[in-house]
Amino acid sequence: EPEVTQTPSHQVTQMGQEVILRCVPISNHLYFYWYRQILGQKVEFLVSFYNNEISEKSEIFDDQFSVERPDGSNFTLKIRSTKLEDSAMYFCASRSGQGSLGDTQYFGPGTRLTVL
Amino acid sequence: AQKITQTQPGMFVQEKEAVTLDCTYDTSDPSYGLFWYKQPSSGEMIFLIYQGSYDQQNATEGRYSLNFQKARKSANLVISASQLGDSAMYFCAMRGVNRDDKIIFGKGTRLHILP
Repeated sequence: EPEVTQTPSHQVTQMGQEVILRCVPISNHLYFYWYRQILGQKVEFLVSFYNNEISEKSEIFDDQFSVERPDGSNFTLKIRSTKLEDSAMYFCASRSGQGSLGDTQYFGPGTRLTVL
Repeated sequence: AQKITQTQPGMFVQEKEAVTLDCTYDTSDPSYGLFWYKQPSSGEMIFLIYQGSYDQQNATEGRYSLNFQKARKSANLVISASQLGDSAMYFCAMRGVNRDDKIIFGKGTRLHILP
């Protein structure tokens, strides 16, 4: 069964460093998302991406964040200068936009980011 | 603005019993979708079930069913014959009318299945 994959599973970085979180969405999906979950809290939306551009972004998604689909398979989230409060689990999600389950977003296993 | 409310922070249920996880929502959108996701201790987010606001019948997926009461704006998850592997955090979520809309999550309910 196709699934969303994310790498790395755990990333440890120093404050101020740049990190790139990688995702491979399900191959025929057209809509892509990043969410984050600070430990013990609920999942929060960061950004949605469709047709090679950002559809919507939350107030969390400031100038330190960027997303890219560099090729036909990868979808990346870059944090330019990490802060302590960026420590969280980051989830990538995708959906097809087609068929009866076209609305369903399938999530990857997450990348746990720890900023020291 | 859309909002999801899960009033049960934690629940303990005996194995093999049925369990109902509560979820109420608030939206002014005429069309919306409701989801339940399971998050085990390993951290991944697993899709369980989906209900569209115009679906006439309640959604079912194996042991999961969604008790959708539109007038009450509730979308409770029912798990029949609970198993030890059902122990996890469960999130109710919804998306809005636009097809590229983000999903809004509730705070979750932590379910513990007792042997």
